[in-house]
Amino acid sequence: DIQMTQSPSSLSASVGDRVIITCRASQGIDTNVNWYQQQPGKAPKVLIYAASIVQSGVPPRFSGSGSGTDFALTISSLQAEDFATYYCQQTYNSPPTFGQGTRVDLK
Amino acid sequence: QVQLVQSGTEVQKPGASVKLSCKASGYTFTRFYLTWVRQAPGQGLQWMGGINPNLGTTTYARQFQGRVTMTRDTSTSTVYMELSSLRSEDTAVYFCARLTGDSDGLNWFDPWGQGTLVTVSS
Repeated sequence: DIQMTQSPSSLSASVGDRVIITCRASQGIDTNVNWYQQQPGKAPKVLIYAASIVQSGVPPRFSGSGSGTDFALTISSLQAEDFATYYCQQTYNSPPTFGQGTRVDLK
Repeated sequence: QVQLVQSGTEVQKPGASVKLSCKASGYTFTRFYLTWVRQAPGQGLQWMGGINPNLGTTTYARQFQGRVTMTRDTSTSTVYMELSSLRSEDTAVYFCARLTGDSDGLNWFDPWGQGTLVTVSS
């Protein structure tokens, strides 16, 4: 199975901060990476698919980059509603696997 | 709009089975693969497997093979996930999610159901 290693596992930030979360795959996966946001008690919601395509309705402060083994999710200016947990996921091959998550909370 | 609505909270005893449902609406049910993902308390996301609603064929994650069964009812646009021989470690929220893709063969999970909490306790 492909392992997805996210970092950091948690971070504290302030409104307006630029936040970068990274994800490394255990083997090359082209651009088969998706990013999800999960609010407490809610289902995950896709933010970015295919490494860099922003899902319709997602604010443009969210962006994704990378290919091969190294990927990043960037929030250009953190807003109050962005405090949540973020997961990367590979769908390059089965089984689809997730990173362990990055919790973003208020500094 | 595209929506997945899951069945309600379950409490089961160790050794029992549980069968969850996920009803799809807003799209042609047979056109999209549906998957199940679980999340133990305070933990990350774990893919369990999925079903092709058109053919009824299934793929299960290795660690659940022999304990999980996924089925579908095309007349009601509903998929089911049954997990047997429950143990305390199966306490989790179980999500269904639709596998959505593009013409380049890239796939992602969207939308997700609201989740069903399953508690396994004696």
